[in-house]
Amino acid sequence: AQTVTQSQPEMSVQEAETVTLSCTYDTSESDYYLFWYKQPPSRQMILVIRQEAYKQQNATENRFSVNFQKAAKSFSLKISDSQLGDAAMYFCAYRSYTSGTYKYIFGTGTRLKVLA
Amino acid sequence: DVKVTQSSRYLVKRTGEKVFLECVQDMDHENMFWYRQDPGLGLRLIYFSYDVKMKEKGDIPEGYSVSREKKERFSLILESASTNQTSMYLCASLTGGYNSPLHFGNGTRLTVT
Repeated sequence: AQTVTQSQPEMSVQEAETVTLSCTYDTSESDYYLFWYKQPPSRQMILVIRQEAYKQQNATENRFSVNFQKAAKSFSLKISDSQLGDAAMYFCAYRSYTSGTYKYIFGTGTRLKVLA
Repeated sequence: DVKVTQSSRYLVKRTGEKVFLECVQDMDHENMFWYRQDPGLGLRLIYFSYDVKMKEKGDIPEGYSVSREKKERFSLILESASTNQTSMYLCASLTGGYNSPLHFGNGTRLTVT
């Protein structure tokens, strides 16, 4: 069975600095998607970034980028120029599509604090 | 923009009550999901549905059931609420597109006393 591990329950970063959140996963599948979701205090889960396993190029979305290491099964999120609004829970998620259904597995989350 | 609406933001129920959590999406998505979120445990899948009247058990279905009579609505039912079902419940929907992400509702924080 697939698993997703976020080993950092909490991280802190100074405003304007860069922080990297870790995520590792385990799977025997070759075709899958990886996502990072952000959950601010409002509780609304927001998609931050996605990465297809077949694409070697790391995804980027403005200040957010990933370091996708398929062989190592690692999918870390880098936030550059951190802003106070980046403070939230961040969840790493794995998605596969098998037997006609989608399956999402989430990590336990990392709480990011941004210090002014 | 996709909108997933959960009927209640906060809910307080008594042990043994039958509880209904409602979720509606407005984008004609085929797939809908119910997750439970607990500190330190992340999001755990309770049930999901890939079509009207179709349902599949997730990882923690015990004590829950679901109903999907219309495509836009997916209900989570706690047949007899217990205190260990106190949690945050998140509904999500997904279209069949290969690279489409989950779209989440705002969550229902349920307290069972």
